[in-house]
Amino acid sequence: DSGVTQTPKHLITATGQRVTLRCSPRSGDLSVYWYQQSLDQGLQFLIHYYNGEERAKGNILERFSAQQFPDLHSELNLSSLELGDSALYFCASSVEKAGRYNEQFFGPGTRLTVL
Amino acid sequence: GDSVTQMEGPVTLSEEAFLTINCTYTATGYPSLFWYVQYPGEGLQLLLKATKADDKGSNKGFEATYRKETTSFHLEKGSVQVSDSAVYFCALRSRNQAGTALIFGKGTTLSVSS
Repeated sequence: DSGVTQTPKHLITATGQRVTLRCSPRSGDLSVYWYQQSLDQGLQFLIHYYNGEERAKGNILERFSAQQFPDLHSELNLSSLELGDSALYFCASSVEKAGRYNEQFFGPGTRLTVL
Repeated sequence: GDSVTQMEGPVTLSEEAFLTINCTYTATGYPSLFWYVQYPGEGLQLLLKATKADDKGSNKGFEATYRKETTSFHLEKGSVQVSDSAVYFCALRSRNQAGTALIFGKGTTLSVSS
């Protein structure tokens, strides 16, 4: 158990809908990263938050957004869903102390199926 | 941009066979290199890491050496077990910025039979 929790574990929805994925980082970790794992694109970085602020964006679609709350949990919002958004979504957390190696600890993922 | 290329699977081996999974990278500067493992139905776990050239990362019998001259970080294990069956991902992270995201290869599925 990495200490990172993600809910829900599975999500099945229809095209055009909107869903919210939730991530709770390990205690004390200030950084949350979101990744998408799909069969065709592999594992891709979506977005990074540090202590409530957006730090970096990767291959994140405009239909997707995220935020990190004062208690450091994070939510990834996916809207106007398309069939191609079906994937496994991981979050990872890291303590992020400057000058030190900061391992990313991954949650178990949320499997999204868009029908 | 930075990228990671790893050998495509699946790799199918018998128990106690020798394992090599090739990984090469393209990056500016001197990235940190990682191998992650994903067991069925689970998230990714860090298997080993190397943060500078010629470093050797090792864990659970797995090894990988950071080769700057060949931009490679091949994963090896002398004798695989059925419990090693999983998907293995090579990844890099730029050392130039704190908190930079990981860039992953496509993953290599390893299947070990008894």
